[in-house]
Amino acid sequence: KQEVTQIPAALSVPEGENLVLNCSFTDSAIYNLQWFRQDPGKGLTSLLLIQSSQREQTSGRLNASLDKSSGRSTLYIAASQPGDSATYLCALAEGDTGRRALTFGSGTRLQVQP
Amino acid sequence: SAVISQKPSRDICQRGTSLTIQCQVDSQVTMMFWYRQQPGQSLTLIATANQGSEATYESGFVIDKFPISRPNLTFSTLTVSNMSPEDSSIYLCSVEAPGWNNYGYTFGSGTRLTVV
Repeated sequence: KQEVTQIPAALSVPEGENLVLNCSFTDSAIYNLQWFRQDPGKGLTSLLLIQSSQREQTSGRLNASLDKSSGRSTLYIAASQPGDSATYLCALAEGDTGRRALTFGSGTRLQVQP
Repeated sequence: SAVISQKPSRDICQRGTSLTIQCQVDSQVTMMFWYRQQPGQSLTLIATANQGSEATYESGFVIDKFPISRPNLTFSTLTVSNMSPEDSSIYLCSVEAPGWNNYGYTFGSGTRLTVV
C-alpha cells in the first residue's frame, strides 16, 4: 500500500525566504503527482501537476520536482509572501491497481511572517 | 479543468440526523470521488462513484453510513447518516479533469460539518 510522507509537518519563515517542502512515497508506480494548497477550513487548490514521465514543473514562484527512483518530490517556493501561508499537500495518482483516486500526504503547514 | 459546485459549504447538525452533500460538475466526468478530512488530518478517500453503478467504498466506510448517489455524469450526492460528533469533518468531492493525466484532479470547495 502506498504511503506518502511530508516533511516538515510545520514551517515558519520570514517573508522573502526561499523554502523547500518535501514529499516522499514508497511505491514508484505512479501516474502523476499533484501539489495542492489548502487554506484553513477550505477546499483544495491545485498548484502543480507532474506526470510520471516528467522531472519538474514550474508556475510563477513555484517549482515542483519529481524523482520516481528515489520516491521523492519537492515543492520549491521562491521569495515567500504572507499570502503563501497555508497547508501544502502532495498527492499521488496510481493506476496499476485500477484505483484512480489520490493518496495524500499529511501536509506541511506553512506560516510566512511579515 | 472542470469546475465543481459543492453544497452546503458548512452545517451544524444534531447527532442522530443525516446530511446530504451535493456536488455539481460543469462537464461530464466518468468518476467522482468523495473524501473526508478530519480535524488536523489529511484527506482520506471514502468512496468512488461511477454513473450507473454502485459506489466502491474504501476500508472502514460502509454504504449504510455514507450512501452515495450518482444519477448522471455531472452530479453526485453523499449522505452522512445517523451522525455522531466523530463525523465532524470537512467532506470534499473530486473529479478527474478531462484528459486527467494532463490536468489532474479538481476539488469542490468542501463541506464543513459540525455534529453537536
